[in-house]
Amino acid sequence: KAGVTQTPRYLIKTRGQQVTLSCSPISGHRSVSWYQQTPGQGLQFLFEYFSETQRNKGNFPGRFSGRQFSNSRSEMNVSTLELGDSALYLCASSDQGNGYTFGSGTRLTVV
Amino acid sequence: DAKTTQPNSMESNEEEPVHLPCNHSTISGTDYIHWYRQLPSQGPEYVIHGLTSNVNNRMASLAIAEDRKSSTLILHRATLRDAAVYYCILRDRGGSRDDKIIFGKGTRLHILP
Repeated sequence: KAGVTQTPRYLIKTRGQQVTLSCSPISGHRSVSWYQQTPGQGLQFLFEYFSETQRNKGNFPGRFSGRQFSNSRSEMNVSTLELGDSALYLCASSDQGNGYTFGSGTRLTVV
Repeated sequence: DAKTTQPNSMESNEEEPVHLPCNHSTISGTDYIHWYRQLPSQGPEYVIHGLTSNVNNRMASLAIAEDRKSSTLILHRATLRDAAVYYCILRDRGGSRDDKIIFGKGTRLHILP
C-alpha cells in the first residue's frame, strides 16, 4: 500500500509569507502527527490530529496551525514566516497502537 | 521532554553485531518501548517495539531488562546501510488519548567498513 505522502518536497519562501504543507496518510490511518526537524533542536512535536480533531499540541507559537479533513488528509500552515522556521517538516500516520509511518518530509527554506 | 537517555554516538564494524542501549528509568506500566531510525535525508522509520518480553523481527531484536528501566536494540550483523540515528521512545498505550511520541537526540550509529 502507498506510504505517507508529503507535498511539496521542497519550498522556498520569504520572511513574512505564509505556507501550507500537505500530508496524505496511509489509507485507513486516522491519526496524523506533524514534527519539525532542525539540526539544533532535533525532532520536535508540533501537533497530532485524530478524526479531524486536534488531540495534542507541542510548544510552538500560534503561527503554526493545522487541520485534518474527513479523508484523514492533513495540512499544516505557518503564517508570518521567520528565518528560524527553516526546517524539515515531517508528517507521520498511525493506526493506533502500532508504529508510526513517516513521510519523507517537506524541506522549507525561509530567506 | 523525552523520557529516555541514549549515548550520543556509537561506532561499529561492518558485519559485526551492534548493541544500542537506552535508559528509561521512569517508564510506567503502560509504556511500550519503541525504536525508530532515521537514515540520511529520510523521515524516521519504525524498527521494533515491545512491552516486557524480548522481541525479534527481520530488522532487529529488542532486549528489555526485567525491571523495564532499560532496553537494548540489537542489530545482529551491521551493514553500511544501518548507519543512521536511532531513537528509543516510550509510547503510552494505557488507553490514553495522548498518542504522541517525543523524540530525544538519539544515537548516531557509524558503521566502519
